Amino acid sequence: ILNVEQSPQSLHVQEGDSTNFTCSFPSSNFYALHWYRWETAKSPEALFVMTLNGDEKKKGRISATLNTKEGYSYLYIKGSQPEDSATYLCAFSRGTSYGKLTFGQGTILTVHP
Amino acid sequence: NAGVTQTPKFQVLKTGQSMTLQCAQDMNHEYMSWYRQDPGMGLRLIHYSVGAGITDQGEVPNGYNVSRSTTEDFPLRLLSAAPSQTSVYFCASSYGRENEKLFFGSGTQLSVL
Repeated sequence: ILNVEQSPQSLHVQEGDSTNFTCSFPSSNFYALHWYRWETAKSPEALFVMTLNGDEKKKGRISATLNTKEGYSYLYIKGSQPEDSATYLCAFSRGTSYGKLTFGQGTILTVHP
Repeated sequence: NAGVTQTPKFQVLKTGQSMTLQCAQDMNHEYMSWYRQDPGMGLRLIHYSVGAGITDQGEVPNGYNVSRSTTEDFPLRLLSAAPSQTSVYFCASSYGRENEKLFFGSGTQLSVL
């Protein structure tokens, strides 16, 4: 069983603050790293999928970086808005095929107006 | 485009009963998977399939059976339900290539009394 660790477990910020979360994963035999946003009463939705060391992805105010050699990924939100409130999940797979995608427990973000 | 369709949305079972959770996707995805969501545990992989006729176990397969007779459908069977299987179940699918994201169904909330 792979350990995918996310920190912090929860985060409260004020509207307009910038914030970031961390996802740590085993660095050996890396295949892909995913980030998902999960809003209450909805299904998880993909933000990014990254496969190469040094990858940087951006979607509006949200961006992510990947370091496969040391086994971590950062998710950044610039100028948080109340609608950014959600659980942010990362997931990791290793090996030569898509196979088993292991999720972390998530970071719960609450943005206060 | 319906995406990933899960049925039912809610189900209550008695211990020992059997049932099948249905999952269908209309995106011609090769990869399909079942996850369960429990408080504080994150999404845990139950079973997955990389194509019709091919299935494999995930992290928590005990008590569940799957089959993949067509590309579109990936049902999850509980042969003899137990209270420990009370959970929210998500089906997800993908093209299965390294940089492809997962698409999630809307979830099934299952209670076993």
